[in-house]
Amino acid sequence: DQQVKQNSPSLSVQEGRISILNCDYTNSMFDYFLWYKKYPAEGPTFLISISSIKDKNEDGRFTVFLNKSAKHLSLHIVPSQPGDSAVYFCAASGGMDTGRRALTFGSGTRLQVQP
Amino acid sequence: GEEVAQTPKHLVRGEGQKAKLYCAPIKGHSYVFWYQQVLKNEFKFLISFQNENVFDETGMPKERFSAKCLPNSPCSLEIQATKLEDSAVYFCASTGGTEAFFGQGTRLTVV
Repeated sequence: DQQVKQNSPSLSVQEGRISILNCDYTNSMFDYFLWYKKYPAEGPTFLISISSIKDKNEDGRFTVFLNKSAKHLSLHIVPSQPGDSAVYFCAASGGMDTGRRALTFGSGTRLQVQP
Repeated sequence: GEEVAQTPKHLVRGEGQKAKLYCAPIKGHSYVFWYQQVLKNEFKFLISFQNENVFDETGMPKERFSAKCLPNSPCSLEIQATKLEDSAVYFCASTGGTEAFFGQGTRLTVV
């Protein structure tokens, strides 16, 4: 039973346009959400996170939106650049000691940004 | 160090042999996690440590898998009597707060 789902295995966008990656979760105990970016043969790299007390967090070209009632979050990348081409993983954790709890990952979305 | 260091990068073992993977967390990070990634996608949590103590081992297979984090030594993940299904990339991560930082992984191939 997947508690964190990324239903789009892949996404292709043009350079300069917006990339929107989606993630759904089922566990109501999750209260901290993270996005990681992964290149082949490397470990996941932390991108941005959001706590459940917020509905938006922004860092440069990256913005994460959280809709708690829908149990949905999305990552927006604007403008997209070819270097953003990678696999993006949504992850969640919850309960006490948030951040020190194990992460539950989605299955990833491969983003390709076309020059 | 400033990054999570995992060794070796690649490991090949025959079925039934032992495999031992190492992880040096970022200096000052007190939590260490091990994840298993099979088929390039699904990350499965195995075990976490708070300093040298097991914090959460709910994902750890009951048999054949063990892990340690001893003072002044890299953390280790050991698989006794490896099976073909243990072939995966094993990632170590550490955190001192909310975000976990990952190493580059160890690719274990069991033949």
